[in-house]
Amino acid sequence: SYVLTQPPSVSVAPGQTARVTCGGNNIGSKSVHWYHQKPGQAPVLVVYDDSDRPSGIPERFSGSNSGNTATLTISRVEAGDEADYYCQVWDSSSDQPVFGGGTKLTVL
Amino acid sequence: EVQLVESGGAVVQPGGSLRLSCTTSGFSFEDYTMHWVRQAPGKGLEWVSFFSWDGTITNYADSVKGRFTISRDNSKNSLFLQMNSLRTEDSALYYCAKDLRRGGEAFNIWGQGTRVTVSS
Repeated sequence: SYVLTQPPSVSVAPGQTARVTCGGNNIGSKSVHWYHQKPGQAPVLVVYDDSDRPSGIPERFSGSNSGNTATLTISRVEAGDEADYYCQVWDSSSDQPVFGGGTKLTVL
Repeated sequence: EVQLVESGGAVVQPGGSLRLSCTTSGFSFEDYTMHWVRQAPGKGLEWVSFFSWDGTITNYADSVKGRFTISRDNSKNSLFLQMNSLRTEDSALYYCAKDLRRGGEAFNIWGQGTRVTVSS
């Protein structure tokens, strides 16, 4: 089955740029989706199809995907961005969605 | 407003059964693939099952295959998950999630989850 690898944690100071990576074999050929999840809350879709944003998600959230790595970039990080971030793709070989293990973003 | 509301979670003994429900509103339920996703305490997200929008395809994670059955009732805008032969490792918060488009996509709407605890 397809495996997505995320770093367990990323730390960033307020106002700086955070980058959360998601590694997978030739992930650039797939559509990658990103979610954030704050404590006690359900996940929220923040980026879909590599780089599109649902309505209501700030432009500070952006995504890219190439080769074996997809990246979620959060510009001008705010304290409220502190959350767990998950990447997800659809594995066409098994016809199943796959999640990465999640990355805890800490705002210093 | 699009809403998904899960129910049916409970404390159950190993080997027991439980049926989860997800009641939806605010969108055309029959046009979307629907999913169950779970999250064990302190752990990440694990997809469990989906039922395709056109009713032709269901699929399950290997960890639940043969024990769980997903179903949907378009007349009631509802999704269900019948869970049999429950194990302690099935303990989790179970989310119902709506596909962004018709299927094979992102999950753009999530419920708040219903808690399942399998314990003797």
